[in-house]
Amino acid sequence: GAGVSQSPSNKVTEKGKDVELRCDPISGHTALYWYRQSLGQGLEFLIYFQGNSAPDKSGLPSDRFSAERTGGSVSTLTIQRTQQEDSAVYLCASSRRAGAYNSPLHFGNGTRLTVT
Amino acid sequence: AQTVTQSQPEMSVQEAETVTLSCTYDTSENNYYLFWYKQPPSRQMILVIRQEAYKQQNATENRFSVNFQKAAKSFSLKISDSQLGDTAMYFCAFMKHLWGIQGAQKLVFGQGTRLTINP
Repeated sequence: GAGVSQSPSNKVTEKGKDVELRCDPISGHTALYWYRQSLGQGLEFLIYFQGNSAPDKSGLPSDRFSAERTGGSVSTLTIQRTQQEDSAVYLCASSRRAGAYNSPLHFGNGTRLTVT
Repeated sequence: AQTVTQSQPEMSVQEAETVTLSCTYDTSENNYYLFWYKQPPSRQMILVIRQEAYKQQNATENRFSVNFQKAAKSFSLKISDSQLGDTAMYFCAFMKHLWGIQGAQKLVFGQGTRLTINP
């Protein structure tokens, strides 16, 4: 079946504008994760959803970042009043269920966000 | 908090050679899992191999194998008979063992090693 789908694949925005990044997980996957990858860096955990609830928001870098998930499927990551340091690739991943070794993460191709 | 360190930012080998990527981690946990992910230019993270900490036997997946040294907290990846398609960023990752879904399958990633296979 289809993999994790993210849109847009690339986004250029002006400093101060709001942006929305979308993630469509694999059908039937109950867990969804957002990670951020800055240039030349590893992946930084942002937030995790189990169904529609977010048990772990510990990685969100500031209150300008928020995320929601509706219908246990599509998730949207919103960044308000974007800053240049928000420029990064935002990766989404899903898994059949959370916290399970035998339920590995499946990643999307990411959204490259550039704030000018 | 757990940390993962990959000390080789870049590596380059000739096609068909064997290459080993190093990874060390720091944790006070006894039960955990370790992973190697590959990220080609397409940006998609692909799971290469995984290891359960309580298993002494090193995991193997075709040309990919690991050398897991629990006491030393080391988890290196060996790629045998390297191919041009192996060119990618490689990330080592750690996951704490969690009962139920009380927490995230929160992978902690290293900084990555950029591997180039030359023809």
